[in-house]
Amino acid sequence: GAVVSQHPSRVICKSGTSVKIECRSLDFQATTMFWYRQFPKQSLMLMATSNEGSKATYEQGVEKDKFLINHASLTLSTLTVTSAHPEDSSFYICSARDAAEASNQPQHFGDGTRLSIL
Amino acid sequence: SQKIEQNSEALNIQEGKTATLTCNYTNYSPAYLQWYRQDPGRGPVFLLLIRENEKEKRKERLKVTFDTTLKQSLFHITASQPADSATYLCALAKNSGYALNFGKGTSLLVTP
Repeated sequence: GAVVSQHPSRVICKSGTSVKIECRSLDFQATTMFWYRQFPKQSLMLMATSNEGSKATYEQGVEKDKFLINHASLTLSTLTVTSAHPEDSSFYICSARDAAEASNQPQHFGDGTRLSIL
Repeated sequence: SQKIEQNSEALNIQEGKTATLTCNYTNYSPAYLQWYRQDPGRGPVFLLLIRENEKEKRKERLKVTFDTTLKQSLFHITASQPADSATYLCALAKNSGYALNFGKGTSLLVTP
């Protein structure tokens, strides 16, 4: 089955640090990837849609300069949390659509990155 | 605004019983609805997708119904097992594109 690998699985760093999270589709090509954020006992909230070779589309209220997204290849999207602060601590999850599948097929999710800013 | 509501209370059931989880939505005209399972500290795992023209869908011990008039989906796990304990998420596509909106999820605990 389709596998999405997310790295790192956990990051603990000091306030002010920039953190990069990678999302890779291992056995399929993903023209579109999605980044979600999940706070404890809350729903997954869509942050942005990442399109290969073009700029990401951000949801309302998500700062594009704070959360930099790059989707330079069909198998890799990265999310960089710039100058992270404690309020950015959360569980970040990516998902990917298989470009070969129909639009109504499920997305494939990574295992998430637990980001803790001290 | 668009809303997806799931049972906010955790659901505790005994092993062997049928678990029924509810998903209600407003301000969506979905072509399909999806159910995912999420374990603590993990990403969601796809379980079932049901299309608007399908009333019911089954996969092994799982059954999903979809009533577009009531704007509701029910998710059933028959002969439940402790390994079924997890949070179950209902998801609908946003109006534009393929991105998903998720409900908060229902936490299911199956006890031996």
